Amino acid sequence: EAGVTQSPTHLIKTRGQQATLRCSPISGHTSVYWYQQALGLGLQFLLWYDEGEERNRGNFPPRFSGRQFPNYSSELNVNALELEDSALYLCASSWGRIISGNTIYFGEGSWLTVV
Amino acid sequence: GIQVEQSPPDLILQEGANSTLRCNFSDSVNNLQWFHQNPWGQLINLFYIPSGTKQNGRLSATTVATERYSLLYISSSQTTDSGVYFCAVNSGGGADGLTFGKGTHLIIQP
Repeated sequence: EAGVTQSPTHLIKTRGQQATLRCSPISGHTSVYWYQQALGLGLQFLLWYDEGEERNRGNFPPRFSGRQFPNYSSELNVNALELEDSALYLCASSWGRIISGNTIYFGEGSWLTVV
Repeated sequence: GIQVEQSPPDLILQEGANSTLRCNFSDSVNNLQWFHQNPWGQLINLFYIPSGTKQNGRLSATTVATERYSLLYISSSQTTDSGVYFCAVNSGGGADGLTFGKGTHLIIQP
């Protein structure tokens, strides 16, 4: 069974551009989570999608957005890139809600570098 | 929100040694997971353990929910155990997702 897959693995963008990151959850999983891991800041919760809807977002500006498609895959868009957006972006999926005691599984991440 | 503190922040051991990593959390939890992040960045699930004790090979974990802490034990360490170990929790406050501690950076020297 395939795990969570993310693309691209690495992405280099210039300041002010837009970046799009993609995630395919484990088959049968309907919830998708996005996390940012910037150097020295640990893992910060970005967004949670469930059944095609954005259910919750972390403390990030509106230029971080995304969506979940009918097949439960998801994309994360970061507009007007800033240097401090350089980070590892991790996607995770779960069969049900974490709050209900479900385990989440992470992909290998997408490294975004803003120059 | 819930606070998660992990200790020690850094740990350097020789191959074959045993270690104990600690995770303290500030509120009751309904979900607690331990992860290992390898040098390439991938987070690997180790345990789902909101309470009780579990073992998987050389690794075991115990969560004492009433006292709000969890311990991860690594026995007979190998160099491949190196990396960062994260504890992550959900306190059921309505928002889904996991809150992560800052991790313990473990280095196993040959």
